Amino acid sequence: GQQVMQIPQYQHVQEGEDFTTYCNSSTTLSNIQWYKQRPGGHPVFLIQLVKSGEVKKQKRLTFQFGEAKKNSSLHITATQTTDVGTYFCATGGTSYGKLTFGQGTILTVHP
Amino acid sequence: DTAVSQTPKYLVTQMGNDKSIKCEQNLGHDTMYWYKQDSKKFLKIMFSYNNKELIINETVPNRFSPKSPDKAHLNLHINSLELGDSAVYFCASSQDPVLAVQETQYFGPGTRLLVL
Repeated sequence: GQQVMQIPQYQHVQEGEDFTTYCNSSTTLSNIQWYKQRPGGHPVFLIQLVKSGEVKKQKRLTFQFGEAKKNSSLHITATQTTDVGTYFCATGGTSYGKLTFGQGTILTVHP
Repeated sequence: DTAVSQTPKYLVTQMGNDKSIKCEQNLGHDTMYWYKQDSKKFLKIMFSYNNKELIINETVPNRFSPKSPDKAHLNLHINSLELGDSAVYFCASSQDPVLAVQETQYFGPGTRLLVL
């Protein structure tokens, strides 16, 4: 089945620094979703990308889907302490509703 | 109103016991899921149901048995609990995936299971 590799596994930043997490696949993906899980919380949907080269922004968050639809990234500009948590990419479409998640990137923001 | 709810939130039990986790969604979705999140945060799908019918069963041991009495509820029963079952179990729901490329999944708050 489809697999997505996510890096880095951990990222520590100072508040105000930028942060990027990457999601890579060896196969072409039909879509990429991004979720955020706060410490002790549950995954919450952020966005879905479906088009080659697509870029979407949500305030300080920028999401990209690669031209070949084999990779994606989430970039946070000027991190804040409220950004702490685990960011997951996920892909679906190969099997009825099945989402395959990346390993997640755990973001720590030091004030 | 909570969209996807799970009970209990915490579950501590002895090896060999049988336990159940309940999930309910009030979003009117047709499809519900169970995920397991291990200590390294890895999220893996276990089951999905569409309109009370099992759709996905991801090679989960037979000790795990999902039950969907109606499309708003999906419960998970675990027999003969083992130490390795300790994890966080998330229920989720979505619109019918057939109708879109990939529907957004809405997760419940999770059940933290600790087997001693």
